[in-house]
Amino acid sequence: QQQVKQSPQSLIVQKGGISIINCAYENTAFDYFPWYQQFPGKGPALLIAIRPDVSEKKEGRFTISFNKSAKQFSLHIMDSQPGDSATYFCAASRRYTGNQFYFGTGTSLTVIP
Amino acid sequence: DAGITQSPRHKVTETGTPVTLRCHQTENHRYMYWYRQDPGHGLRLIHYSYGVKDTDKGEVSDGYSVSRSKTEDFLLTLESATSSQTSVYFCASGTGMQAFFGQGTRLTVV
Repeated sequence: QQQVKQSPQSLIVQKGGISIINCAYENTAFDYFPWYQQFPGKGPALLIAIRPDVSEKKEGRFTISFNKSAKQFSLHIMDSQPGDSATYFCAASRRYTGNQFYFGTGTSLTVIP
Repeated sequence: DAGITQSPRHKVTETGTPVTLRCHQTENHRYMYWYRQDPGHGLRLIHYSYGVKDTDKGEVSDGYSVSRSKTEDFLLTLESATSSQTSVYFCASGTGMQAFFGQGTRLTVV
C-alpha cells in the first residue's frame, strides 16, 4: 500500500515555466514532509521540507504548498531551468518515532531549453 | 552526500548466494536506513535502525536482514539472493528530522 501518492510520473516544462508536482497522504500522524531531488547515478538529496503547522515554505525558486485538511502537498519550481531536470520525490514521516520516511513514486522532470 | 559511503557501488551475483552491502557514515547520526529503488515504486524502506543493535523492519523486509554493531556502520544482507532483489540500494542516515543518502549500490542477481 503506497503511503504517499505522487503525480505526475513525468513532466516536461519549457525553460522559464512553472513545474508543479503533487503528493497526497493518508496517515494524519505524519508531521514532516520533505522533497528530494535526484540526478542520474546519484543518491536523493534533500531539497526543501515543511511541517504541517505552516501552509507554505519558500526557498529560492522552490516552494512547498501544504493543505492539511486535504492531506495534500505540492512542490512548485518557479522559472524552471534545464539544470532542474531530475527526478523529484516527495516523502512523509513522523519525526522522532523511528522516523521512517515514506516516499512517493517519483516524478521525472525535463526542462526544455 | 553528508559523509555516507556505500560499498560496493556495483555488484553482480548469482541466485542463491548471500550478499552483504555496507554503509558507513561519519556524521554520528542516530538513525540509519536501507532503501531499494525500483522503477514505478520509488524508494521503499527495507530496514532501519534507531541505535546500535536497535533495528526494525520496513515495508519490504522479506529476504533481507541487517546489523548495526557500531553507530557508523549499517550492514544489509540478502540471505539468498533472488532475481527480484535486482535493484539499486540506498543507505541513508539522519538525525530524526532529515535523511541523507549515499550514492547507491547497483545490485544485479543473475
